[in-house]
Amino acid sequence: ILNVEQSPQSLHVQEGDSTNFTCSFPSSNFYALHWYRWETAKSPEALFVMTLNGDEKKKGRISATLNTKEGYSYLYIKGSQPEDSATYLCATTQGGSEKLVFGKGTKLTVNP
Amino acid sequence: DADVTQTPRNRITKTGKRIMLECSQTKGHDRMYWYRQDPGLGLRLIYYSFDVKDINKGEISDGYSVSRQAQAKFSLSLESAIPNQTALYFCATSDSRTGTYEQYFGPGTRLTVT
Repeated sequence: ILNVEQSPQSLHVQEGDSTNFTCSFPSSNFYALHWYRWETAKSPEALFVMTLNGDEKKKGRISATLNTKEGYSYLYIKGSQPEDSATYLCATTQGGSEKLVFGKGTKLTVNP
Repeated sequence: DADVTQTPRNRITKTGKRIMLECSQTKGHDRMYWYRQDPGLGLRLIYYSFDVKDINKGEISDGYSVSRQAQAKFSLSLESAIPNQTALYFCATSDSRTGTYEQYFGPGTRLTVT
């Protein structure tokens, strides 16, 4: 069974801090890496999909990188704001399967 | 209007009851999925459907069944609910034509089995 690990499990930062967290996955037979943002009482919302080694994606203050050779992705948030508070999920697909396998998420709390 | 809707949003039921959770989508996607989320466990796949005639078990299908009534509708049934099926249930869709398998989630159904 494919194992996707996220660290840390939870994180508290102050408003204005920059932060990052990690998603680790098996590098063999990799197809795509997805990041989702999940606010309490809402639906998980797609942030990025990355497929190529070295991919970097950016959306406002949030960016992500991908290393498929060593099996990890970083999500960065620059100048965190209270509205960034959410659980950030990563998920991967392996070649030949359309199923997403999710990590347990990193819960970010940004204190004003 | 939401593209992926789920009904009901909240449900409390008793052990042994049959319950159905419904999902509808207006995105025109061919793939549909049911997940459950438990605290500390992340999203786990229950069933998925690639089209109306293609339904597959996911990681944790025991105790559940599904029906894909149309491309836009995918229902999840608990034949005889038990307390450890208390969880947050999400429906999701994806479009196989994009090649990215990006999924779009409904708002979730919070189910409590007493």
